Amino acid sequence: SQQGEEDPQALSIQEGENATMNCSYKTSINNLQWYRQNSGRGLVHLILIRSNEREKHSGRLRVTLDTSKKSSSLLITASRAADTASYFCALRPANNLFFGTGTRLTVIP
Amino acid sequence: DAGVIQSPRHEVTEMGQEVTLRCKPISGHNSLFWYRQTMMRGLELLIYFNNNVPIDDSGMPEDRFSAKMPNASFSTLKIQPSEPRDSAVYFCASSPGGDETQYFGPGTRLLVL
Repeated sequence: SQQGEEDPQALSIQEGENATMNCSYKTSINNLQWYRQNSGRGLVHLILIRSNEREKHSGRLRVTLDTSKKSSSLLITASRAADTASYFCALRPANNLFFGTGTRLTVIP
Repeated sequence: DAGVIQSPRHEVTEMGQEVTLRCKPISGHNSLFWYRQTMMRGLELLIYFNNNVPIDDSGMPEDRFSAKMPNASFSTLKIQPSEPRDSAVYFCASSPGGDETQYFGPGTRLLVL
């Protein structure tokens, strides 16, 4: 399968806590991307990490990539209620993106 | 920038009817993607175009589905005849190329009765 698998499927935390989501995959990739989807909306690109990169930051987001373990993690620091959404990893082995099933994050105010 | 525009936002139809979904990609983007999202199957790529040419339609479920991109600013996804199992949210996304970061439209929620 060329899709990633997110873990956990659902996560509930208190506002201010950190949230960590993981993505495991089986194929070789050119890059891995993380997207967010608010309920009833389209997906929004958050961050892209290339296969030769190990860590990347964007604001409160930190993404790591371990190509030897074929895994990635997304860390959201100091979470806010507005971070409540589903988060998807997307693999790019070639010309397409393959999306996982997502992690549903709920941040409780 | 208006982003990716999809219409209609909601569609309710009866089984057997033809359904046409429309998409206007972001100006200057050369790739366009159609996805279907359901609870059971997640987000599935149906077809993608590069420079208006269909590149990969292996995700199109069956012959009832067809997609066209007559020019760089417009694409349609047609289902004829529609069936209840086609009920889903259909997303269009476009990309400027390069790393292929995709920009999604708001989706069309289709319900086939």
